[in-house]
Amino acid sequence: DVKVTQSSRYLVKRTGEKVFLECVQDMDHENMFWYRQDPGLGLRLIYFSYDVKMKEKGDIPEGYSVSREKKERFSLILESASTNQTSMYLCASSPDTAPNEKLFFGSGTQLSVL
Amino acid sequence: AQKVTQAQTEISVVEKEDVTLDCVYETRDTTYYLFWYKQPPSGELVFLIRRNSFDEQNEISGRYSWNFQKSTSSFNFTITASQVVDSAVYFCALSEAINGNKLVFGAGTILRVKS
Repeated sequence: DVKVTQSSRYLVKRTGEKVFLECVQDMDHENMFWYRQDPGLGLRLIYFSYDVKMKEKGDIPEGYSVSREKKERFSLILESASTNQTSMYLCASSPDTAPNEKLFFGSGTQLSVL
Repeated sequence: AQKVTQAQTEISVVEKEDVTLDCVYETRDTTYYLFWYKQPPSGELVFLIRRNSFDEQNEISGRYSWNFQKSTSSFNFTITASQVVDSAVYFCALSEAINGNKLVFGAGTILRVKS
């Protein structure tokens, strides 16, 4: 089975801190994604990556950056955390064998910025 | 631009009742894909179904069924004889062929099944 692992289930940070959210997948998927989930808004795409060292902005990239140095790992970075970035963050991956395939999700990281 | 609307924020039913979750979508692409995901309390979204725009056949999988109607841009999900384990947040999502793997999600519907 595909496994997408997010390093932390819960995280509490202070305003202004630099925050790293880590995601690792073990199925050699080319595509990786970061979404944030907020009540009433569903999931919104922050960034995605089709290959190592490649990244593309999603719908809400402001305040975030990403890093993909290795195929299996996709990191989301909050350069200076703010309270409006308190949210559930979900990582996902999918193979590049065919577009529009289903995504495999991690269990999420609930980030609280105080 | 693509958009998915799930008008039902929360639904509560009693076990064994049937329940339908609504999903309405907007897209300008003629080739697109519709999905349903389930998010149980554990947090991990679980894939339920994927349907392409050229296949309007309804699908049944056990107690789950899906009704795809292009005429009304809807892709509704029905759970027959609901069970407590069906309690979760359900998301409808859309991807356009031109956008490849970029999924756009609806706001989600919280389903509570009471025993």
